[in-house]
Amino acid sequence: DAKTTQPNSMESNEEEPVHLPCNHSTISGTDYIHWYRQLPSQGPEYVIHGLTSNVNNRMASLAIAEDRKSSTLILHRATLRDAAVYYCILREQGAQKLVFGQGTRLTINP
Amino acid sequence: DAGVIQSPRHEVTEMGQEVTLRCKPISGHNSLFWYRQTMMRGLELLIYFNNNVPIDDSGMPEDRFSAKMPNASFSTLKIQPSEPRDSAVYFCASSLMAGAETQYFGPGTRLLVL
Repeated sequence: DAKTTQPNSMESNEEEPVHLPCNHSTISGTDYIHWYRQLPSQGPEYVIHGLTSNVNNRMASLAIAEDRKSSTLILHRATLRDAAVYYCILREQGAQKLVFGQGTRLTINP
Repeated sequence: DAGVIQSPRHEVTEMGQEVTLRCKPISGHNSLFWYRQTMMRGLELLIYFNNNVPIDDSGMPEDRFSAKMPNASFSTLKIQPSEPRDSAVYFCASSLMAGAETQYFGPGTRLLVL
């Protein structure tokens, strides 16, 4: 499985945008970039995914570099409820496995 | 929709005892996954099923672990005999079909083996 690298932790303030980086220099052409997050004492939840183009949904935006070797998850206006561990995962098209790394622990200050 | 349901939510048992964890996937979902989360190893996939058939059990740590899916709405993960190193949070997840983009996770079962 192709590997991703994320900072161990990040901190931001409430109501400010948050940019969570992910490096995946060994990504293959058929790998999708998935983001999940895990709130305290809960199971992981899907956030967003993309292949080449930037993606937006109600939770977040995903910006993918032109060479696809890195991506950024953008929370446009963080709230205290966004405090969680965020996982960036590469998943081959059609594959079922999710291979979780250590993720980034995001702290939101009031 | 009730989401993925797991029971029990917490389990404390003694070494050597049998432990059975239960999962009810989202209705209509055809794929089911069992994960384990520990501080040391993070989140690991143990096994997954498509249409009630085990597809990949390469993540099951050893023969003490077994998983079954007798029908589309129920799965069990059994540990016999349990050991203290099995202490972890066990998550069940389901997805609509094989290769579906999104997995939906349950709240987890926190297992402590004394």
